[in-house]
Amino acid sequence: GEDVEQSLFLSVREGDSSVINCTYTDSSSTYLYWYKQEPGAGLQLLTYIFSNMDMKQDQRLTVLLNKKDKHLSLRIADTQTGDSAIYFCAESIWRYGGSQGNLIFGKGTKLSVKP
Amino acid sequence: DVKVTQSSRYLVKRTGEKVFLECVQDMDHENMFWYRQDPGLGLRLIYFSYDVKMKEKGDIPEGYSVSREKKERFSLILESASTNQTSMYLCASSSSLAGGVEQYFGPGTRLTVT
Repeated sequence: GEDVEQSLFLSVREGDSSVINCTYTDSSSTYLYWYKQEPGAGLQLLTYIFSNMDMKQDQRLTVLLNKKDKHLSLRIADTQTGDSAIYFCAESIWRYGGSQGNLIFGKGTKLSVKP
Repeated sequence: DVKVTQSSRYLVKRTGEKVFLECVQDMDHENMFWYRQDPGLGLRLIYFSYDVKMKEKGDIPEGYSVSREKKERFSLILESASTNQTSMYLCASSSSLAGGVEQYFGPGTRLTVT
């Protein structure tokens, strides 16, 4: 079945780069996502990448996709204390009559940023 | 801005009670979702709805039902609450089931069943 794996914890110092990794199993996934959850809040979409891309950059965020290894990463440059949150990797899959709107989420990586 | 609101942030119920969790979105989205979030398990889809009165089971529908009588409102019902349904419940909505379309999440309802 479909599965998305990511490590549960990451700790970095303020100003360093953070790299959060994710692996997924469904080779038919065409979109992969990164969501952020701040304490006490719902999830917020950070970025997504289409499977025919191998990199996407958006300000401090860089997403790398290795489709052959089914590996996705999120790099946050110059990590700030405000980046402390849980980061979820998610893949969309073809199901429910051909839609991709249903997402399979990883368990989330808790990023702690130390001053 | 899209807004997804959930009726309660915190709820405490007793085993066997019938529980209603309400979710409202204000962006005329076709699709609405209910997830539960548990430590170490991430988010798991309970049910979703792609239109008024239409619903589909997600990955863990057992013990839950849903109701979508109006486009903006999606209710999750626990017919007879049990302690293993203690969890954080997140509602989401989206404008399309096509890939690359954002799901917008509410703040969550933390339900404790005693």
